[in-house]
Amino acid sequence: GQQLNQSPQSMFIQEGEDVSMNCTSSSIFNTWLWYKQEPGEGPVLLIALYKAGELTSNGRLTAQFGITRKDSFLNISASIPSDVGIYFCAGHNQGGSEKLVFGKGTKLTVNP
Amino acid sequence: NAGVTQTPKFQVLKTGQSMTLQCAQDMNHNSMYWYRQDPGMGLRLIYYSASEGTTDKGEVPNGYNVSRLNKREFSLRLESAAPSQTSVYFCASSQRTEAFFGQGTRLTVV
Repeated sequence: GQQLNQSPQSMFIQEGEDVSMNCTSSSIFNTWLWYKQEPGEGPVLLIALYKAGELTSNGRLTAQFGITRKDSFLNISASIPSDVGIYFCAGHNQGGSEKLVFGKGTKLTVNP
Repeated sequence: NAGVTQTPKFQVLKTGQSMTLQCAQDMNHNSMYWYRQDPGMGLRLIYYSASEGTTDKGEVPNGYNVSRLNKREFSLRLESAAPSQTSVYFCASSQRTEAFFGQGTRLTVV
């Protein structure tokens, strides 16, 4: 089946640093989504991208839909302790099914 | 507006027991999903339902059955639980592409 390669698997950073993570696929996707999961909770949608080349921000978060439609990037600027969690990318390909494919996540730790 | 509600939140089963995980959404979404989450494995799709009355297998369907009871409800059944099914289970719903998740059910099979 389709797979998303998400990297890095984990990050340990100092408060105030910027963070970058990315997702790549061997398949083309029509939609890229970025989720954050905090301990004991379900994933929460952060940003949705619908068009190749699209750059979208949500506060200190910025995500981009790669122009090849096979990758996406998430940046977090000036990290704070509450940014801690697991960040997942997800791709949707409307090839006759309604399935979302998820990456394995990037675990972010922010040291105060 | 509750969104996606899953019950129970926690469950311990003995090997061989059966149980049903319940999920309901109040957003009038057509599609519903069941995922399992294991450490280092991300979210893996078990089954999904693109609309009321239809269900399809995902990546890891073995050992599970599902029922799309109506547009709101999508249940996941373990007929004979195994320790390998110890996991956190998430239900989600979507109208087109953006999926919304419940808070999860933490299942332990001993």
